[in-house]
Amino acid sequence: LAKTTQPISMDSYEGQEVNITCSHNNIATNDYITWYQQFPSQGPRFIIQGYKTKVTNEVASLFIPADRKSSTLSLPRVSLSDTAVYYCLVGDIGTGAGSYQLTFGKGTKLSVIP
Amino acid sequence: ETGVTQSPTHLIKTRGQQVTLRCSSQSGHNTVSWYQQALGQGPQFIFQYYREEENGRGNFPPRFSGLQFPNYSSELNVNALELDDSALYLCASSLMGDRSSTFGSGTRLTVV
Repeated sequence: LAKTTQPISMDSYEGQEVNITCSHNNIATNDYITWYQQFPSQGPRFIIQGYKTKVTNEVASLFIPADRKSSTLSLPRVSLSDTAVYYCLVGDIGTGAGSYQLTFGKGTKLSVIP
Repeated sequence: ETGVTQSPTHLIKTRGQQVTLRCSSQSGHNTVSWYQQALGQGPQFIFQYYREEENGRGNFPPRFSGLQFPNYSSELNVNALELDDSALYLCASSLMGDRSSTFGSGTRLTVV
């Protein structure tokens, strides 16, 4: 499983767009990039997943350059309720038996300020 | 569609005791994994079950064991509790072939 590096913490004002970048220099050909969000005393919640280029859903966008050695989670117009820890995970997830081992780092603690 | 439910939500045990934590998978999911999350850290993979058999294990000693039942619910058992076992224990379920997991809210275990 590829190791990931992301900032420990970030602050943002309400209404701003937040971009959290994750480095994964050793990403393998079959690896997907997945982001989870976690609030205190709750389990992580799946946000978005991608393999290359850009993926967008109702809560976020994920930008992946051609070399796939990094990725950026973009949260449009954050609110106070977006204050959470965001984890970037890289792996060949879900392709067969034994493939669900999610490897979490320490994540990025996002604080949204009024 | 129900999510992943875990019980109990909080638990206090004494060092040396044994504990059983329970998890009901999301409807339709056939794979369950358990994670330990210490304060300020990301979740650490303990093990995964698929078709009632252990299907992968992280760096945890044998005193951490589990079961998966035919209805895909699961148990995590920890014997000879140590103070360092104090953590949030998370259960996650998945459908084999899908690429995301659904987590429960966890059980907060405190060992004193």
